[in-house]
Amino acid sequence: GNSVTQMEGPVTLSEEAFLTINCTYTATGYPSLFWYVQYPGEGLQLLLKATKADDKGSNKGFEATYRKETTSFHLEKGSVQVSDSAVYFCALSVGGNKLVFGAGTILRVKS
Amino acid sequence: KAGVTQTPRYLIKTRGQQVTLSCSPISGHRSVSWYQQTPGQGLQFLFEYFSETQRNKGNFPGRFSGRQFSNSRSEMNVSTLELGDSALYLCASSPPQGPYNEQFFGPGTRLTVL
Repeated sequence: GNSVTQMEGPVTLSEEAFLTINCTYTATGYPSLFWYVQYPGEGLQLLLKATKADDKGSNKGFEATYRKETTSFHLEKGSVQVSDSAVYFCALSVGGNKLVFGAGTILRVKS
Repeated sequence: KAGVTQTPRYLIKTRGQQVTLSCSPISGHRSVSWYQQTPGQGLQFLFEYFSETQRNKGNFPGRFSGRQFSNSRSEMNVSTLELGDSALYLCASSPPQGPYNEQFFGPGTRLTVL
């Protein structure tokens, strides 16, 4: 079946530190990959996406590269801010509008 | 353009009751999907509706049902509520020709079952 595994959190960083959140997936077929972010008390917002191998999604300083050979889609940011504190979800879709999510990783950034 | 709206935002029910949640998609979006978010199970897909037809379904019991109206607004219903149904229920809509199945989420309805 289809599944997503994310690194467990919480991840606690100081402002301006480098961020990596690991995500690997298992899929039957050729998935599209996504990172969503959820701020406290809110719904999910799409952060970035990639639809084929070696695609790099990027937005607001965050990046992730679709690695088919390692079935991974790790999220990175060079310098985090306090405002980046949120829960980050890796997700995949194999056709249609059904998203399969990872468990989510809590990110806390200290000033 | 207005985002996805969900009503009510908060709901408290008791075991055995039933509940109906509402979702209004972004104007022009015809696909509406529902997800359940709990601390234990995370985010799980419930079902998707497109043009008033259920197009996809997750692994939830028959107590969970939904429907979509001609204006694309959707409702989901949970009958015979159980304590484990306490969750944040998220609705998401997708544009009719979105190439990457991008989904836009509403703020959710927080359901508490006592």
